[in-house]
Amino acid sequence: AQSVSQHNHHVILSEAASLELGCNYSYGGTVNLFWYVQYPGQHLQLLLKYFSGDPLVKGIKGFEAEFIKSKFSFNLRKPSVQWSDTAEYFCAVNADNAGNMLTFGGGTRLMVKP
Amino acid sequence: NAGVMQNPRHLVRRRGQEARLRCSPMKGHSHVYWYRQLPEEGLKFMVYLQKENIIDESGMPKERFSAEFPKEGPSILRIQQVVRGDSAAYFCASSPDLFTTEAFFGQGTRLTVV
Repeated sequence: AQSVSQHNHHVILSEAASLELGCNYSYGGTVNLFWYVQYPGQHLQLLLKYFSGDPLVKGIKGFEAEFIKSKFSFNLRKPSVQWSDTAEYFCAVNADNAGNMLTFGGGTRLMVKP
Repeated sequence: NAGVMQNPRHLVRRRGQEARLRCSPMKGHSHVYWYRQLPEEGLKFMVYLQKENIIDESGMPKERFSAEFPKEGPSILRIQQVVRGDSAAYFCASSPDLFTTEAFFGQGTRLTVV
């Protein structure tokens, strides 16, 4: 069975700092990779996804993620965070043998100080 | 086009009572997924349903939990004889078909068992 680990549970940054959130998965087959964001009191929203092709994926709100197959990683990055990026971020994997089911990481709570 | 609607948003039950959580998928979506998020943990897959069929319930606890998605009406996640350990946020997601590997999430139902 696949698993997903997010290294940082809590991250605190000042505005304009750069962000990188780690995500590693364990599964030897083909995967689809996702980052979701959950703003306080709201539903999960898709930030970006990787299915195939260019391993550097650009998403909404200036976020990007890079799929490094050899490292089983899909880290999320943003060059300059804003206070409005304060949220919880979830990495998720859909394995090729799992239909549409997603396996989520434990989440990273990001707080951006104004 | 309304998103995935879950109700209630918050539900409080005493130990031993029943909890019913409802999920109305997006219009045109016939695939529904339920996930549970325990405190300080990531989302865990519970069950995958299509209209009138349970496709995969590998994540459902063996006892007290059941799910349905009738031909008409919302999907229902039912928890009988709730215990404190059932306290969690329950999220529903929907997708239009098996080939769309992107699910749209509702805002979740936060169940508290007292």
